[in-house]
Amino acid sequence: ETGVTQSPTHLIKTRGQQVTLRCSSQSGHNTVSWYQQALGQGPQFIFQYYREEENGRGNFPPRFSGLQFPNYSSELNVNALELDDSALYLCASSFRLAGGRIRETQYFGPGTRLLVL
Amino acid sequence: AQSVTQLGSHVSVSEGALVLLRCNYSSSVPPYLFWYVQYPNQGLQLLLKYTTGATLVKGINGFEAEFKKSETSFHLTKPSAHMSDAAEYFCAVSDNNDMRFGAGTRLTVKP
Repeated sequence: ETGVTQSPTHLIKTRGQQVTLRCSSQSGHNTVSWYQQALGQGPQFIFQYYREEENGRGNFPPRFSGLQFPNYSSELNVNALELDDSALYLCASSFRLAGGRIRETQYFGPGTRLLVL
Repeated sequence: AQSVTQLGSHVSVSEGALVLLRCNYSSSVPPYLFWYVQYPNQGLQLLLKYTTGATLVKGINGFEAEFKKSETSFHLTKPSAHMSDAAEYFCAVSDNNDMRFGAGTRLTVKP
C-alpha cells in the first residue's frame, strides 16, 4: 500500500471536453509527478510539481496543465480532449530535498483510466 | 537525452524457471535505474532501484538486477519463477530532469 490515491478511477468524456484528475500524495511527500500510459505502452512523463510549482515537463502540449496545493495534493487538467488522450493517467509522489533532483523513488497511485469518445 | 529499451515485449517461462528481462539504457549523466511491476488494473510498484554503489541490486519478491556500465544494461532476473510473477515489467531511467520508461515486457508464467 503506497498511500497515493487518485480519483476518479474511471472517466468517459467526449472529444473537445475538459477533464480534471486528482491525486493525493503519500504522507510526507512534497513532489507529485504525472504520467500518461497509453494501452500497451510504458508511462510517459507529463510534468512534475514541487512546492506548488511546475518543475519539469515532458513533451506534452500546453492543454495539459496542473496544480499542486499546499497539502501537496495535485490536479491534472486536460483541455480540448482528443481521442488520443484516452489512456491511464498515473500520479506518483516522492520526497525531494531542497535543491534535489527527480531521482527520488516515486510511489505510484492506481491511476485514472480516461476514455475519450 | 535519456532513453530505455526493453528487449522482448513478451517473455514466457515455466514455473520454477529462470526469469530474465532485458533492459538497456542511454543517459548523458550517471543514471538512476529502476524496475517497476504493474499488475492488471493497478499502478506501478517499485521492485528495485540502482543509484550508486553496489552494482548488484536486490529487490522484493526475489528479484535482482545488475548494473553494467560497459554494456549500458540493467537486466532483471529471478532464479525461479512463480505464477504470481505474471505481470508487466517496466525498466526506467532517471537523470536530472525526468524519468523515462521502457515500453514494458509482459511476463507469462506457465504451470
